[in-house]
Amino acid sequence: DGGITQSPKYLFRKEGQNVTLSCEQNLNHDAMYWYRQDPGQGLRLIYYSQIVNDFQKGDIAEGYSVSREKKESFPLTVTSAQKNPTAFYLCASSTNRGSENTIYFGEGSWLTVV
Amino acid sequence: AQTVTQSQPEMSVQEAETVTLSCTYDTSESNYYLFWYKQPPSRQMILVIRQEAYKQQNATENRFSVNFQKAAKSFSLKISDSQLGDTAMYFCAFMTRGSGAGSYQLTFGKGTKLSVIP
Repeated sequence: DGGITQSPKYLFRKEGQNVTLSCEQNLNHDAMYWYRQDPGQGLRLIYYSQIVNDFQKGDIAEGYSVSREKKESFPLTVTSAQKNPTAFYLCASSTNRGSENTIYFGEGSWLTVV
Repeated sequence: AQTVTQSQPEMSVQEAETVTLSCTYDTSESNYYLFWYKQPPSRQMILVIRQEAYKQQNATENRFSVNFQKAAKSFSLKISDSQLGDTAMYFCAFMTRGSGAGSYQLTFGKGTKLSVIP
């Protein structure tokens, strides 16, 4: 089935560790996004990428890094520089083609610092 | 700055009744796309309905419809015949062109928590 797959669904990180969240899509979408959601809050944009090997910072990029080596994949690394990483992370993708413009989301990943 | 305002943090509705969720937005763009997303307790974001700003006709999807008032920058969601499965957070969002060529960005409101009461 076509869709966006995020893994792992639950992840625990120790203080000072880097962790990577995976996001894969088979929708042939050009653009991919990472959002962070805190309890009771809306979504905040971390990074986005419109094409392979190119990405831009969103509103809260500090402490995060991404790569876009393949069209299908957009992994997010939460570095030790991110002081408050406990949150729900959503990956999304879109076609960005005129009338088909819509953003679709994966099922999300929970990250907890222990 | 582009913003989306959902003025109702929480709402409730009786099963089988109709409820309207409000959303206003602010943008200087003339061409954009508007969305309502549903986020049930599972946390997955599910697209409910989509509206293109250049279309005057209001979008409908089964029990879900919108009232799009472009001049007033208003985009409300009406849910008819509410069902227990409609209980969720509802987010209003709009998509506009970003800074890069061919790029788009999505701006979200803070959400409205809807509870459907049996």
